[in-house]
Amino acid sequence: DTEVTQTPKHLVMGMTNKKSLKCEQHMGHRAMYWYKQKAKKPPELMFVYSYEKLSINESVPSRFSPECPNSSLLNLHLHALQPEDSALYLCASSLGTGGSFYGYTFGSGTRLTVV
Amino acid sequence: KNQVEQSPQSLIILEGKNCTLQCNYTVSPFSNLRWYKQDTGRGPVSLTIMTFSENTKSNGRYTATLDADTKQSSLHITASQLSDSASYICVVSASGGGADGLTFGKGTHLIIQP
Repeated sequence: DTEVTQTPKHLVMGMTNKKSLKCEQHMGHRAMYWYKQKAKKPPELMFVYSYEKLSINESVPSRFSPECPNSSLLNLHLHALQPEDSALYLCASSLGTGGSFYGYTFGSGTRLTVV
Repeated sequence: KNQVEQSPQSLIILEGKNCTLQCNYTVSPFSNLRWYKQDTGRGPVSLTIMTFSENTKSNGRYTATLDADTKQSSLHITASQLSDSASYICVVSASGGGADGLTFGKGTHLIIQP
């Protein structure tokens, strides 16, 4: 298995809803990442998990809450989002913690729309 | 400040034609450079990765070049197909930078017309 699987592919939620994005990989990668990508913009790093521990939080608002239950799973819990949070949310993984060296495998993303 | 500049921003060519996309970077210390293809609404897919010592690398109809002296890279697409329509993103890694050592270009949006 050489893929990063993200679910759901599309999500529409209201500003008072609570939802979660899920990311899964079975490549034995020990680093996992969440990125946010707006249309026609490059991905922006949100969180990095290294060996199931949060190692980087790029000053992301608390309405986004990451969780790494085990080395294969990464969740992003969403609560009280704003319409400007609508974007493509990408999960990625890499073999080692030096992601820039090992290279990333990206998931297909979750297209999130906040109404 | 590390930067990656891509040109052109967008490009329209006819099916079967060749094209070349450019990437200029000011990332230091340089580790590697990757080209990704991203279809609309999908995640980026890696095409090539090049380190300091590599000048050219091919992946099917895609050929990437790297000039570490001038800090430039190009991605050449041969005999374009409709399925090549996508954004092509240049990503440069700094040595020891970890995940936040990646610098993304804004991408070139390529449209192949029949």
